[in-house]
Amino acid sequence: AIRMTQSPSSLSASTGDRVTITCRASQDITTYLAWYQQKPGKAPKFLIYAASTLQSGVPSRFSGSGSGTDFTLTISCLQSEDFANYYCQQYYNYPFTFGGGTKVEIK
Amino acid sequence: EVQLVESGGGSVEPGGSLRLSCAASGFIFSNAYMNWVRQAPGKGLEWVGRIKSKPDGETIDYAAPVKGRFSISRDDSKNTVYLQMNSLKTEDTAVYYCTTCGGDCYSNYWGQGTLVIVSS
Repeated sequence: AIRMTQSPSSLSASTGDRVTITCRASQDITTYLAWYQQKPGKAPKFLIYAASTLQSGVPSRFSGSGSGTDFTLTISCLQSEDFANYYCQQYYNYPFTFGGGTKVEIK
Repeated sequence: EVQLVESGGGSVEPGGSLRLSCAASGFIFSNAYMNWVRQAPGKGLEWVGRIKSKPDGETIDYAAPVKGRFSISRDDSKNTVYLQMNSLKTEDTAVYYCTTCGGDCYSNYWGQGTLVIVSS
């Protein structure tokens, strides 16, 4: 199975900061990568697919990049509602696998 | 509006069985591929399995930890996907989500989840 490694596992940031989360795949997944946001007690919310395409309705401060094995999720200007857990997922082949998650906390 | 509503969760002893249901609405269910994803308490997300549509052969793939114990099925007449869980282990304790497959099968819509607790 393809292993997905996210870093950091947690970070502290302030409103207005630029935040970058990294996701590394154990093998080439081209751009078959999605990002999700999850708040405590809630179902995950789908943000990005194909590594860089924003789902409709997702604020433009979110962006994704990368291909092959290295990917990033960037939040350009952190808002209060962005404090949450973020997960990457490869859907290149089965079994689909998620990264371990990154918790974005308030500094 | 897409809606996914899971049900069937609860407490069960190790070795027991449980069947989860996910009722779907707001899209053409018979054409949709569906996933199950779970999340153990305080842990990350884990993909469980996916069932393709009937026109595409209803092919099913499973994650290694559940293969041979869990079974996914669908009833297009009821717009419902099921997760039959047998030989349950304590490590199967989790919130179970059903999701729709968008595009190449990222999870673009999620239900609210149903909690399964496996404990003696």
